[in-house]
Amino acid sequence: DTEVTQTPKHLVMGMTNKKSLKCEQHMGHRAMYWYKQKAKKPPELMFVYSYEKLSINESVPSRFSPECPNSSLLNLHLHALQPEDSALYLCASSQPGLAVPYFGPGTRLTVT
Amino acid sequence: GIQVEQSPPDLILQEGANSTLRCNFSDSVNNLQWFHQNPWGQLINLFYIPSGTKQNGRLSATTVATERYSLLYISSSQTTDSGVYFCAVEQRFGAGTRLTVKP
Repeated sequence: DTEVTQTPKHLVMGMTNKKSLKCEQHMGHRAMYWYKQKAKKPPELMFVYSYEKLSINESVPSRFSPECPNSSLLNLHLHALQPEDSALYLCASSQPGLAVPYFGPGTRLTVT
Repeated sequence: GIQVEQSPPDLILQEGANSTLRCNFSDSVNNLQWFHQNPWGQLINLFYIPSGTKQNGRLSATTVATERYSLLYISSSQTTDSGVYFCAVEQRFGAGTRLTVKP
C-alpha cells in the first residue's frame, strides 16, 4: 500500500468554525508533513513530525494546530481561520531523513 | 535557507516535442526530487536524484551537485505530460515550470 489518504477532499468553513483535516498512511513511514499550497504557487512546508514528535514548525500561526496521535495518523486542527488561509492542504509521509515523500491528494479548504 | 530556482516558468510544446527543465539551488544538497502536479492537484514523485542520472521511460533527470543544478528531460511529449513540474530540495519547492502540451 503506497497511498496517503486525506479527508475531507473539500471543506468550506466560516471564520468562527473549528474543523480538522485528517491524513493517514500505512506504509510504516515515521515522518509526516503538512504543506499549504495557494493557487499557482508551490507547496510551502508547514510542519514536520518525525517519530510522532514535532520536529519542524515553519512559523505557522497558532490557528493551525497539528497533532500526530500515532505513527499512521496526522491531523491539522483549524480554528479562527482567515479567508487568506483558503488553499490546498497537502499531507505527505516518508521515512525520516533523506527519503522520498509520498503525497496525499490534498484537502481543498475555503474559508468564508 | 536554501534557494531553489526553476526555469522556464512556462513552457508550451507541440505533442511529440522534447524539452528540458532546469532547477538551480544555492547550497549543497542531500535530497533533491522532481515532482509532477496534475491538474487535480496530485503530486507525483518522478525522481529522487541528489546526484547522477536516472531514466524512467520518456523522462530522465540529471543532477550535477558540484555545480548546483538539476535537469529534467521530457522526450516525445504527450498531452498527459501537461501540468506543473516542481523541483524540491530538502523539502523546499521551487516555483515550478508550467508545461502545456498541445495536440
